[in-house]
Amino acid sequence: DIQMTQSPSSLSAFVGDRVTMTCRARQSISTYLNWYQQKPGKAPKLLISGASSLESGVPSRFSGSGSGTDFTLTISSLQPEDFATYYCQQSYSGYTFGQGTKLEIK
Amino acid sequence: EVQLVESGGGLARPGGSLRLSCATSGFSFSIYWMHWVRQAPGKGLVWVSRIISDGTSTSYADSVKGRFTISRDNAKNTLYLQMNSLTVEDTAIYYCARTWEPRDAFDFWGQGTLVTVSS
Repeated sequence: DIQMTQSPSSLSAFVGDRVTMTCRARQSISTYLNWYQQKPGKAPKLLISGASSLESGVPSRFSGSGSGTDFTLTISSLQPEDFATYYCQQSYSGYTFGQGTKLEIK
Repeated sequence: EVQLVESGGGLARPGGSLRLSCATSGFSFSIYWMHWVRQAPGKGLVWVSRIISDGTSTSYADSVKGRFTISRDNAKNTLYLQMNSLTVEDTAIYYCARTWEPRDAFDFWGQGTLVTVSS
């Protein structure tokens, strides 16, 4: 299994802030990296696939980058509805999720 | 509208069994790979199992191999997960999700069904 490590585990920020979170794979996964948003009591929602492709309907303030082993998810200007937990997931070999980054309101 | 609706969760005793179902609509079920992903209370997401579009190949996480069986009925647009020899560590919300191709993302998820294993 390919281990995925997200950092930080939690993050506090203000509405309007720019935030970046990272995901690192133990081995190269090319761009087979996906990002999900999960709110309490809800199913995960796909935000970005293929490291940088924004899913239809996802606001343009979300962006993803990276390839190989290091990836980032950036939210350019935090909105109240963005406070949630974010998971990265590799689909290069099998399917493995990171442990999540919980984004909280400061 | 794409919909995935899980059912069959509930309370089971250690060593017991449950069968989960995922009824789908709004898309061509028979051409998608389908998966089960679980989330223990307060924990992260863990992939459990997948079945290819025609049902001829399956794969499992090591933690459930030999105990869980994934299957599908393309005529009924429904995915299943037979869970045997349950342990307390299987307590989780179980989500079904789809992928278009093997290396695709999980683009649609069900709302989840809670499985609680307790004596």
